[in-house]
Amino acid sequence: DSGVTQTPKHLITATGQRVTLRCSPRSGDLSVYWYQQSLDQGLQFLIQYYNGEERAKGNILERFSAQQFPDLHSELNLSSLELGDSALYFCASSVAYGERYTFGSGTRLTVV
Amino acid sequence: SQQGEEDPQALSIQEGENATMNCSYKTSINNLQWYRQNSGRGLVHLILIRSNEREKHSGRLRVTLDTSKKSSSLLITASRAADTASYFCATVETSGSRLTFGEGTQLTVNP
Repeated sequence: DSGVTQTPKHLITATGQRVTLRCSPRSGDLSVYWYQQSLDQGLQFLIQYYNGEERAKGNILERFSAQQFPDLHSELNLSSLELGDSALYFCASSVAYGERYTFGSGTRLTVV
Repeated sequence: SQQGEEDPQALSIQEGENATMNCSYKTSINNLQWYRQNSGRGLVHLILIRSNEREKHSGRLRVTLDTSKKSSSLLITASRAADTASYFCATVETSGSRLTFGEGTQLTVNP
């Protein structure tokens, strides 16, 4: 157990649907990062939050949004899902910017 | 976009041999990190080397960093079948805070 908890572990949904992925960071970590890992794109940075505020955005689609709550857990919302959104979605946390990340075990999203 | 490029993309060796993976990057960095990922699982942090460091060791791992060539290498000595995994380098740019990952090297250690 890395200390970063992601739920659910697996998700199968239909095109056009909306899903929410949840992440609880490691105790004491204020930064949360979301990454998408697909076979053809590798690990792509989506978005970063620090203590509730958005700090950096990567190649995140407009159909995707995220937030970090006062208790520091984070949610990634994916809407109008397409087949190409099928991927592993990882959450990571760190105690400070640019230091070692602790990754969760990921959510495997399959869009059918 | 990927910052780092790993070389080779795949490496197959016998148990007991050493494995060397290389990573090149494009921008000025604050630090460079190596991660390991077992198939379909989360990434595990292995080692972090800062831009003012040239070499770092952790157990059977040795990492070097050459900022003039914008490259790093990860050496795993006396490899074991359990070392079979994908290995990623990731960089933190001097102007940023997020990690940008390379494409990874798939290491297979045959028993």
